[in-house]
Amino acid sequence: DTEVTQTPKHLVMGMTNKKSLKCEQHMGHRAMYWYKQKAKKPPELMFVYSYEKLSINESVPSRFSPECPNSSLLNLHLHALQPEDSALYLCASSQDLTGYTFGSGTRLTVV
Amino acid sequence: EDQVTQSPEALRLQEGESSSLNCSYTVSGLRGLFWYRQDPGKGPEFLFTLYSAGEEKEKERLKATLTKKESFLHITAPKPEDSATYLCAVWGGSEKLVFGKGTKLTVNP
Repeated sequence: DTEVTQTPKHLVMGMTNKKSLKCEQHMGHRAMYWYKQKAKKPPELMFVYSYEKLSINESVPSRFSPECPNSSLLNLHLHALQPEDSALYLCASSQDLTGYTFGSGTRLTVV
Repeated sequence: EDQVTQSPEALRLQEGESSSLNCSYTVSGLRGLFWYRQDPGKGPEFLFTLYSAGEEKEKERLKATLTKKESFLHITAPKPEDSATYLCAVWGGSEKLVFGKGTKLTVNP
């Protein structure tokens, strides 16, 4: 299995909703990442988990809350988002610098 | 601060017309340079990782090369299905992947 699987593929949520994005990999990678990508822009790093511990938070607002339940799973909990948070949210995993693999993303729309 | 500049921003080619995309970088202690292909609304698809100057890697119609200051992605005899945005990223002293803004390639039949 050489894939990073993200669910759901599409999500529409209101500004008062709570939702979660899920990411799963079974490549044994010890680092997992959340990125945000706006249209026609490169991916922007949000969070890095290394060995299931949060190692980098790129000053992301607290309405985004990451969680790493185990070495294969990564969640991103969303609460009280703003319309400007609408974007493609990408999960990635890697083992050192090898196999830095991205998922297909979740297209999030905040209404 | 690690920086990546890609050129051109957009490139239109006729099918079969070979060309190159450029990725210039400044980084403290390059540990790896990555090339990805991204289709609209999809996640980046890994193409290559290059680790040291002089290294070259090939995959089908694509060939990536690396010098101490830049990398080139050569596309030989492209086909319409090669149309995509190509992203370059470096891993260096910042201990994270730093992306360029990408080159949008369009190959016309």
